[in-house]
Amino acid sequence: QVQLVESGGGVVQPGRSLRLSCAASGFTFSTHLIHWVRQAPGKGLEWVAVISYDGSNKYYADSVKGRFTVSRDNSKSTVYLQLNSLRAEDTAVYYCARDMRQLVLFVYGMDVWGQGTTVTVSS
Amino acid sequence: SYELTQPPSVSVSPGQTARITCSGDGLPKTYVYWYQQKSGQAPVLVIYEDNKRPSGIPERFSGSSSGTMATLTISGAQVEDEADYYCYSADSSGNRGVFGIGTKVSVL
Repeated sequence: QVQLVESGGGVVQPGRSLRLSCAASGFTFSTHLIHWVRQAPGKGLEWVAVISYDGSNKYYADSVKGRFTVSRDNSKSTVYLQLNSLRAEDTAVYYCARDMRQLVLFVYGMDVWGQGTTVTVSS
Repeated sequence: SYELTQPPSVSVSPGQTARITCSGDGLPKTYVYWYQQKSGQAPVLVIYEDNKRPSGIPERFSGSSSGTMATLTISGAQVEDEADYYCYSADSSGNRGVFGIGTKVSVL
């Protein structure tokens, strides 16, 4: 079945780094944009980043620009989110989600979500 | 930065109609999507492209959009519809996404 599975979360000190992974299965991975969305404890959803289907275009929220980097390996059906210079306010559940359109240049909505991986930034 | 505005909460009695609004200056040019999120779970798409319902979503969920406002309507709300609901759209560049703050729907 169509599925996204995140991994890589954990507890990390401020200023340190972490790499999250999002493994896809059950669909043609290389034709879909993939988004990252996060949710801080008790807060709403925050869009974080997106990567185009071929990895050539990447866009970020202002809150993470310059610190986070999204990449993908279509041969492994996996998207990565590198989190650098982590801050306490980056503490959240991080979801990856599939854009519902295929082979498009712009973002649309997300129709498939993973269950999320938790990142806690604390000393 | 682009914002989508939602009411923080909506309360209805079982069987009544709940309406959740989402306003944003860019909505005339972009699609709106609605997500349901129950406690401790990942979001679920309930309406896409303003008014389309994914397979498996009950018919009591419907969406509309006119001008700068979109509305999610739950007709005959059920207790199991209690959740947070988020509207989502692309920003003016079409390259980034934006969520509303979320609306907590109580059915009691």
